[in-house]
Amino acid sequence: EPEVTQTPSHQVTQMGQEVILRCVPISNHLYFYWYRQILGQKVEFLVSFYNNEISEKSEIFDDQFSVERPDGSNFTLKIRSTKLEDSAMYFCASRWEDQPQHFGDGTRLSIL
Amino acid sequence: GNSVTQMEGPVTLSEEAFLTINCTYTATGYPSLFWYVQYPGEGLQLLLKATKADDKGSNKGFEATYRKETTSFHLEKGSVQVSDSAVYFCALDRRRALTFGSGTRLQVQP
Repeated sequence: EPEVTQTPSHQVTQMGQEVILRCVPISNHLYFYWYRQILGQKVEFLVSFYNNEISEKSEIFDDQFSVERPDGSNFTLKIRSTKLEDSAMYFCASRWEDQPQHFGDGTRLSIL
Repeated sequence: GNSVTQMEGPVTLSEEAFLTINCTYTATGYPSLFWYVQYPGEGLQLLLKATKADDKGSNKGFEATYRKETTSFHLEKGSVQVSDSAVYFCALDRRRALTFGSGTRLQVQP
């Protein structure tokens, strides 16, 4: 069964540094998402992406965050200047039309 | 706004016990409802879904019925196994982005 893949599985970064989290959605999916889960808390929506542009974003997704689909397969989340509170598990998801979202295994981001 | 409330965990059961994890929601309109499961060290996997009132989603022995009158989508399983130990998330589809509950950890003991 096709799956969403995320790399790396764990990223350790110094506070203030830029970080890029990578995702390869399922190949025929059209809608892409990023969510995050701070340790012990609920999964929170960050941003959705369709037709090469952001379709919706939450209040968490401020100017420090950006997303990009640089080619036909990758979907990236960039955090420009990381803060301690950005430490979380970040999940990528993709979806075909009105079907349920499929999630990757996540990237654990640790900010030191 | 839209929100999902789940019962607090952890829920600890013996193998073959009956499971109920409560989930209620607040939403405008009639969202689709989902249960996702997260096994240790893994991502979120869709367990089951229901798209309209009175629909029953089922998978791997788990069931949940979309109850519009009580705005609930409780997860049930008649006989749990050790392998069901995981965190279970109730979620609603809010204009195509999911709103999740806080998750309920289930621990099944042999």
